[in-house]
Amino acid sequence: NAGVTQTPKFQVLKTGQSMTLQCAQDMNHEYMSWYRQDPGMGLRLIHYSVGAGITDQGEVPNGYNVSRSTTEDFPLRLLSAAPSQTSVYFCASSYASGGAEQYFGPGTRLTVT
Amino acid sequence: ILNVEQSPQSLHVQEGDSTNFTCSFPSSNFYALHWYRWETAKSPEALFVMTLNGDEKKKGRISATLNTKEGYSYLYIKGSQPEDSATYLCAFSGSGGGADGLTFGKGTHLIIQP
Repeated sequence: NAGVTQTPKFQVLKTGQSMTLQCAQDMNHEYMSWYRQDPGMGLRLIHYSVGAGITDQGEVPNGYNVSRSTTEDFPLRLLSAAPSQTSVYFCASSYASGGAEQYFGPGTRLTVT
Repeated sequence: ILNVEQSPQSLHVQEGDSTNFTCSFPSSNFYALHWYRWETAKSPEALFVMTLNGDEKKKGRISATLNTKEGYSYLYIKGSQPEDSATYLCAFSGSGGGADGLTFGKGTHLIIQP
């Protein structure tokens, strides 16, 4: 079991570029989510999905897009990168939504210059 | 935006001492309260998920209690060891099965001094 995997581990983008952060899990979890972690802010929810084909916005969704075509994958797209999106991004999954422990990926450290 | 507060922000404890810290959350529309341990350069790992008022959970030297009526949870560490040094996060899940995701506190950063 690989658990939750994220690629890339590190990325540097220029302002205006777009990219996709990949997230995959092999635990057959229905619930997946994306968080960003900024100093002094804690983990903030960007987008989440309760199953394939279903996504919804979290606390800080602006500038990000998601889709969930399979149970395993939940990519996060940055449409036009801005310096304010410099952060560490974590993907998480669980077998249910709020009542089940979440399993986190190793994180992607993104810098936008 | 839900308010989940953790105190203190940071804590220095001597090895062998016991310690505790607090998570405050909304007392209405409660579904679950999570505790995670987050070591530097790693990912958060779940310690406990609690759903019932009065719940008490224990894992080794770490335990947690839950009061949903007044909106707080305590995490206790007995006989602190250097490997307990980490940031401890709590997260609130609201009613509706928590389908709208978790709201995390900013964490308590615990440093155990040998």
